[in-house]
Amino acid sequence: AQSVTQLGSHVSVSEGALVLLRCNYSSSVPPYLFWYVQYPNQGLQLLLKYTTGATLVKGINGFEAEFKKSETSFHLTKPSAHMSDAAEYFCAVSAGGQAGTALIFGKGTTLSVSS
Amino acid sequence: GAVVSQHPSRVICKSGTSVKIECRSLDFQATTMFWYRQFPKKSLMLMATSNEGSKATYEQGVEKDKFLINHASLTLSTLTVTSAHPEDSSFYICSARAPGGTEAFFGQGTRLTVV
Repeated sequence: AQSVTQLGSHVSVSEGALVLLRCNYSSSVPPYLFWYVQYPNQGLQLLLKYTTGATLVKGINGFEAEFKKSETSFHLTKPSAHMSDAAEYFCAVSAGGQAGTALIFGKGTTLSVSS
Repeated sequence: GAVVSQHPSRVICKSGTSVKIECRSLDFQATTMFWYRQFPKKSLMLMATSNEGSKATYEQGVEKDKFLINHASLTLSTLTVTSAHPEDSSFYICSARAPGGTEAFFGQGTRLTVV
């Protein structure tokens, strides 16, 4: 069965600092991995996804993530935080190991950005 | 990207009444739709998977008689919370996938408050 663990329920950074949100997964099949951002009382916006191919994935708003099979990780990074990045971030893996299926979500990480 | 519209965005209902939430794929046909529930400060929990023209598949622990899901067309799925109680208050989010698609797109969510 697939599962996702997000290390750190709350991360605080200063504006302009590096953002690192950690995600580890467990999957019995090659995983499809996703990062989503959620603003208060809104749905989910896809930041980036890994399906196959290049392990360094670039997404929207300057975010990127690297799939590391040996570490079963898919950490999300951004070189320089912006105030508008403050939100809830969810890492997810496709249930059943197929693209387009239901997602198994981590518990989320709240990112705070201070000026 | 594809657009999924969820309606209403917010609803307040009295305990014992039923509430219907709609999920529409606006610019693509969705053979599969997913319904999630999000508790405050918690991750998203998959409630059920609905396939057009067939019965929904509910996750373990989700009461199918309480959360009625109908996917009568390729662009519309509905979730009806029957005989709602305060403990049903939550944020409900749907997502939809096109045939052969590798990504499911999320609606903006519905905040249900039962008083």
